[in-house]
Amino acid sequence: AQTVTQSQPEMSVQEAETVTLSCTYDTSESDYYLFWYKQPPSRQMILVIRQEAYKQQNATENRFSVNFQKAAKSFSLKISDSQLGDAAMYFCAYPAGTYKYIFGTGTRLKVLA
Amino acid sequence: GAGVSQSPSNKVTEKGKDVELRCDPISGHTALYWYRQRLGQGLEFLIYFQGNSAPDKSGLPSDRFSAERTGESVSTLTIQRTQQEDSAVYLCASSFNLLSTDTQYFGPGTRLTVL
Repeated sequence: AQTVTQSQPEMSVQEAETVTLSCTYDTSESDYYLFWYKQPPSRQMILVIRQEAYKQQNATENRFSVNFQKAAKSFSLKISDSQLGDAAMYFCAYPAGTYKYIFGTGTRLKVLA
Repeated sequence: GAGVSQSPSNKVTEKGKDVELRCDPISGHTALYWYRQRLGQGLEFLIYFQGNSAPDKSGLPSDRFSAERTGESVSTLTIQRTQQEDSAVYLCASSFNLLSTDTQYFGPGTRLTVL
């Protein structure tokens, strides 16, 4: 079965520091995409970053980067220079099939001033 | 519009009543998705629409749930005879294509509370 696991229900980071959120998944596919979404208190899910599995290079978007380990089926999100506005729920997502996304249970990130 | 919009933002209803939740996707997006998010949990896929194709209803939790979409426009999710376990945030998303490579753009959700 295709699953997505986020083992950290909650994480805290000091402002300006770096934090890594973990995500593991299970699939038999060889070519796929992986996504990290952010959900602030406003509830609106926002795409943070996505990774194409066939690309060796880890995706980077400004302060956000991923550590993609295909063999280990691991897809962690690193947030550098954390800001107060980064406080939110973060969800890892894997598209199971053409359209059906499987989301992890989320990690709540707290940013401490 | 600039983004996906949903209405109402919050809905409180009594057990047994019917509710309708509305989603306006981004103009030009052919694919539309509904998800349910229970408190403290991830997103649970409910249904998707792609253009005029028949929707995949496999994620709907019971026959009390139904959804409609006219062409590539507004979608309505209807829950009949609501139960307390239906209390959740219902999120709608749209994407340009029905492809697993396409980014989904989410609305702010409707928080449904069934008393």
